[in-house]
Amino acid sequence: EAGVTQFPSHSVIEKGQTVTLRCDPISGHDNLYWYRRVMGKEIKFLLHFVKESKQDESGMPNNRFLAERTGGTYSTLKVQPAELEDSGVYFCASSRFLSGTGEAGELFFGEGSRLTVL
Amino acid sequence: QKEVEQDPGPLSVPEGAIVSLNCTYSNSAFQYFMWYRQYSRKGPELLMYTYSSGNKEDGRFTAQVDKSSKYISLFIRDSQPSDSATYLCAIGNTPLVFGKGTRLSVIA
Repeated sequence: EAGVTQFPSHSVIEKGQTVTLRCDPISGHDNLYWYRRVMGKEIKFLLHFVKESKQDESGMPNNRFLAERTGGTYSTLKVQPAELEDSGVYFCASSRFLSGTGEAGELFFGEGSRLTVL
Repeated sequence: QKEVEQDPGPLSVPEGAIVSLNCTYSNSAFQYFMWYRQYSRKGPELLMYTYSSGNKEDGRFTAQVDKSSKYISLFIRDSQPSDSATYLCAIGNTPLVFGKGTRLSVIA
């Protein structure tokens, strides 16, 4: 079974440009999460999809970030326009719901997309 | 006060040593406690998972939760060079709240 895959693995862009990160979750996982790690800081939650719906987007830093999950499969995270402070590693994770509890099961993380904004 | 505090290290130990990694947290409502291991340039992978207080053992790894002290620990016995990685505590459920991670090096 393929794991969570993220693309690109590394992106270097100029301030003001746009970048789109893509995440393909594990097949059958309804839950999809975006997290971000800025250098020297903790991994922080950005948002959570259940299928195609945004369940929780409380961690999105501002309106320059737009996440979508069309059809409840893969997800994209667009940063437009990018700022210096957006540099970091963006992790995607997915999980299935645990039967009988409605709770999310183990999170499986991708390897991350490293974003460098110059 | 941060929700989860974790000493980032780095921590360097000789092969075979017992390693103790710790986190403290502030929100007493947290019920789920996890330890993730992250190798360089990889994503975090779940290592141990406990619910509420108590101990859980899995091979050379033991996770402890003390809810009265809001303190969680991960012990690694007979540490191996392959254990060299960053260990992250994570608390909560959805969303997870992570500590900064402790970088561990086990020297052969």
